[in-house]
Amino acid sequence: NAGVTQTPKFQVLKTGQSMTLQCAQDMNHNSMYWYRQDPGMGLRLIYYSASEGTTDKGEVPNGYNVSRLNKREFSLRLESAAPSQTSVYFCASSPSPGQGGETQYFGPGTRLLVL
Amino acid sequence: GNSVTQMEGPVTLSEEAFLTINCTYTATGYPSLFWYVQYPGEGLQLLLKATKADDKGSNKGFEATYRKETTSFHLEKGSVQVSDSAVYFCALDSNNNDMRFGAGTRLTVKP
Repeated sequence: NAGVTQTPKFQVLKTGQSMTLQCAQDMNHNSMYWYRQDPGMGLRLIYYSASEGTTDKGEVPNGYNVSRLNKREFSLRLESAAPSQTSVYFCASSPSPGQGGETQYFGPGTRLLVL
Repeated sequence: GNSVTQMEGPVTLSEEAFLTINCTYTATGYPSLFWYVQYPGEGLQLLLKATKADDKGSNKGFEATYRKETTSFHLEKGSVQVSDSAVYFCALDSNNNDMRFGAGTRLTVKP
């Protein structure tokens, strides 16, 4: 049981390049999330998917797109990377959509550096 | 909007010292409150949670009580160990898939 997995673990991009961060969970969870973690700011929600086939914007969606490929997989795409997107990206999942008090389960993170 | 403010670090303690990390929140309605912990090089994992006022969450010797009157959810542990060294995040969830996290508090425990 791997939980939440993310690839790659580390990536360096040049400004303007594109890339997709992959996330998969094997817990049969309905909801999945993408966060970014920046020093002194905690985690901020980029996008989430409450269930397969739906996606919604979070607090900081600009510059990103997402795809809920199936119930297991939720990818985050940067179409034209900018230095401001240098961050650590975490994917998370939870069992049910919109149920307050549910635990979120996090992947190990992807460290992205945009030059 | 909803937000969480937590004690800024870093916090450095000696082993067996008492730990308090303060957390206050602003939210409409009745959010659920969480403490997550992040060990070096890893993702966040749930430490404890409370879903209604006056509930106490506890795990691994850590405790926090949901105080609606003071909008607080302070984390405490009576005797910290070196293995407790990590970053601790307070968070709230207002039942709408919008978890808000505090900035995190780095704890270092020295032998």
